[in-house]
Amino acid sequence: DGGITQSPKYLFRKEGQNVTLSCEQNLNHDAMYWYRQDPGQGLRLIYYSQIVNDFQKGDIAEGYSVSREKKESFPLTVTSAQKNPTAFYLCASSARLSTDTQYFGPGTRLTVL
Amino acid sequence: GEDVEQSLFLSVREGDSSVINCTYTDSSSTYLYWYKQEPGAGLQLLTYIFSNMDMKQDQRLTVLLNKKDKHLSLRIADTQTGDSAIYFCAEGGSNYQLIWGAGTKLIIKP
Repeated sequence: DGGITQSPKYLFRKEGQNVTLSCEQNLNHDAMYWYRQDPGQGLRLIYYSQIVNDFQKGDIAEGYSVSREKKESFPLTVTSAQKNPTAFYLCASSARLSTDTQYFGPGTRLTVL
Repeated sequence: GEDVEQSLFLSVREGDSSVINCTYTDSSSTYLYWYKQEPGAGLQLLTYIFSNMDMKQDQRLTVLLNKKDKHLSLRIADTQTGDSAIYFCAEGGSNYQLIWGAGTKLIIKP
């Protein structure tokens, strides 16, 4: 089955720690995205990647970092510089960086203790 | 700037039709999307409409697009308890990014 997987489903972090969220897709999509979702708000774009070894900041990139070493993988690191990291994080991919349909993973809920 | 607006809640009785509304600002949008999110899950694409269409029907779902008023609606016929979710409207923005509404939570009353 083709799709997007995210792990872990739940993640707990102590203040001052960096954590990395995994996102893998086997759809052969070029573009991948990370969004943050807070209650009562729409999705906010953190980072996106058009192609391997290339990525761009979205609207709320501060305190986050990404890499795109493989087409299938786009991990997101939440650093200690992110002051309010508790949120639901969604990874998505699309065939191209355009307004093509985006397909989403199941999400990771990050809680800071 | 570009913006997409939706009401936060909609409550309907089981068996009735639900109509979820959305307004957008970017008249150059090519596609407009409706996504569904069930509790604790990712977003699932429900349907989309090209900007040169006025209506699209897919089983119980009907999408209406009024380009003049920049208004998009999603009608769900014969609403069932399984339709209870948050529905997001999104438009294809001019910078190759999707612009998202805040989502409408659909509440089904028995």
